[in-house]
Amino acid sequence: IAGITQAPTSQILAAGRRMTLRCTQDMRHNAMYWYRQDLGLGLRLIHYSNTAGTTGKGEVPDGYSVSRANTDDFPLTLASAVPSQTSVYFCASAPGASGANVLTFGAGSRLTVL
Amino acid sequence: GQNIDQPTEMTATEGAIVQINCTYQTSGFNGLFWYQQHAGEAPTFLSYNVLDGLEEKGRFSSFLSRSKGYSYLLLKELQMKDSASYLCAVIVGDYKLSFGAGTTVTVRA
Repeated sequence: IAGITQAPTSQILAAGRRMTLRCTQDMRHNAMYWYRQDLGLGLRLIHYSNTAGTTGKGEVPDGYSVSRANTDDFPLTLASAVPSQTSVYFCASAPGASGANVLTFGAGSRLTVL
Repeated sequence: GQNIDQPTEMTATEGAIVQINCTYQTSGFNGLFWYQQHAGEAPTFLSYNVLDGLEEKGRFSSFLSRSKGYSYLLLKELQMKDSASYLCAVIVGDYKLSFGAGTTVTVRA
């Protein structure tokens, strides 16, 4: 079934540890995104990639990094996790970079930083 | 920054109609989306408006007034499965989506 796969589904992490959230899509979409979702704040864009080989900063990029080595994969790395990064993280993709494209979301990764 | 406002919660009875309002003040406007998100699941696409007026899709309709910075999502003939969060999202000047905090709709029997 075509779509987006995120891993892990859930993770508890000690503060200061490094963590990579994985995201893979099989729809050959050009654009990919990472959002975090927190109660009362909605979805906030962390980083995005309009096409393989390019990345950009979203609304809340501090403490996070991404790479886009190929079309399918868009991992999100927390270099040194802090408790404020406790959240649900959603990866999304779209056929193109224009905002008018419908986003397809992964199932989410719930991260708890202690 | 972007300012997108929608009510936090709404409750309605099965079979009724509910209207979820969304007002926005953003740097540029290139369209507005509504997404549905069931608890613990990923958001899924409901509707897209770029021109003023009403877009109807089955039991769901979405309205846009660009001059007023206003949209609403209308859910008719409510069913229990419609209990979910509804997210308003605006395409801002750099062609990225900015989301509101979402409206949680609870449908009661």
